[in-house]
Amino acid sequence: KAGVTQTPRYLIKTRGQQVTLSCSPISGHRSVSWYQQTPGQGLQFLFEYFSETQRNKGNFPGRFSGRQFSNSRSEMNVSTLELGDSALYLCASSGRGRTNTEAFFGQGTRLTVV
Amino acid sequence: KNQVEQSPQSLIILEGKNCTLQCNYTVSPFSNLRWYKQDTGRGPVSLTIMTFSENTKSNGRYTATLDADTKQSSLHITASQLSDSASYICVVSAGNNNDMRFGAGTRLTVKP
Repeated sequence: KAGVTQTPRYLIKTRGQQVTLSCSPISGHRSVSWYQQTPGQGLQFLFEYFSETQRNKGNFPGRFSGRQFSNSRSEMNVSTLELGDSALYLCASSGRGRTNTEAFFGQGTRLTVV
Repeated sequence: KNQVEQSPQSLIILEGKNCTLQCNYTVSPFSNLRWYKQDTGRGPVSLTIMTFSENTKSNGRYTATLDADTKQSSLHITASQLSDSASYICVVSAGNNNDMRFGAGTRLTVKP
């Protein structure tokens, strides 16, 4: 069974640009969550999608948005990039159940904003 | 204040030695607790997941314990190997919606 796939693995963008990251969950998983990881802040929750609906949202500005498609693949978009958006962006997928469900992480997308 | 506190922040041990990492949490209501291993620049990989009724779970040389009364967990690594060098993250899920709260992690370095 293929794992969680995130593309691209690495990305360099300029301040003010926008970026779209992609996450393909494990086959059969309907929940996809996104996280930002920086050395100073650790892992921070961005949002979670389940069956194409945003189920939870973290404390990030509106420049961060996401969506989920009918095949459970998810994208997150960051507009008007700032230097502080440089981070490792991780997505995790999990199965149908909402409790005690294993979350599987992708390898992440390393975004550098210059 | 973070609801999941890990200690120590970093740790250096010699290959072959054992070590124990700590996780204290205040998350409520408790659903489950997971330990993840994260190599630099890669995604976290699950080591163990424990529910309220479980107080020990092993995965090879990794043994996690949970004391739900004191809200403490530990991850014990036996006979450490160089490949154990990584960050170890404690994650506690709250309530029925699997809302995950992350610790800041312990950075373990195993030296030859």
